[in-house]
Amino acid sequence: GQQVMQIPQYQHVQEGEDFTTYCNSSTTLSNIQWYKQRPGGHPVFLIQLVKSGEVKKQKRLTFQFGEAKKNSSLHITATQTTDVGTYFCAGPDFGNEKLTFGTGTRLTIIP
Amino acid sequence: GAVVSQHPSWVICKSGTSVKIECRSLDFQATTMFWYRQFPKQSLMLMATSNEGSKATYEQGVEKDKFLINHASLTLSTLTVTSAHPEDSSFYICSVLHNTGTRGIQYFGAGTRLSVL
Repeated sequence: GQQVMQIPQYQHVQEGEDFTTYCNSSTTLSNIQWYKQRPGGHPVFLIQLVKSGEVKKQKRLTFQFGEAKKNSSLHITATQTTDVGTYFCAGPDFGNEKLTFGTGTRLTIIP
Repeated sequence: GAVVSQHPSWVICKSGTSVKIECRSLDFQATTMFWYRQFPKQSLMLMATSNEGSKATYEQGVEKDKFLINHASLTLSTLTVTSAHPEDSSFYICSVLHNTGTRGIQYFGAGTRLSVL
């Protein structure tokens, strides 16, 4: 079945430093979605990328979808303590609406 | 986005009892909902797809008689953990599928932490 891997598994950064998480799917995706889960919380939808090579920005967050539509990245510029949490990418299974979630990257911020 | 309510947020029960978790779509009619299970520091594992008016579709390895899903209306899906045991202790999260154009996005409930003693 489809597998979605993320690296790194954990990332500790000083506040103000940049952060990047990478997502790789074993299959080509029709779209990729990103979610953020705060400690003790539930996943919150961040963004959906659909087009090959697409880049979208949300303030300090930059999302990119690879040309082959099998990988994606999330880059956060100048991290803040509010960025703490686990970031998951997720891709739909072929032919249905089920999502396969990536392994997640847990971000912690050192004040 | 969609607003999803999940109840209860936390439940502690004795081994052998059954626990019902409710997932409500508050601002639109959800034909499809999903139930996930998440262990500490792990990713979300899909348990089943809940379709209004029909039987749920369970993922491989998920016991349908253990985890009963009912989606009797377009705003409510329930997950009942029957005869719960300590190994069923986990974080259970529901989501609703909101189709935007042709590509659906899932919006999640706040989750239910189940502790079985």
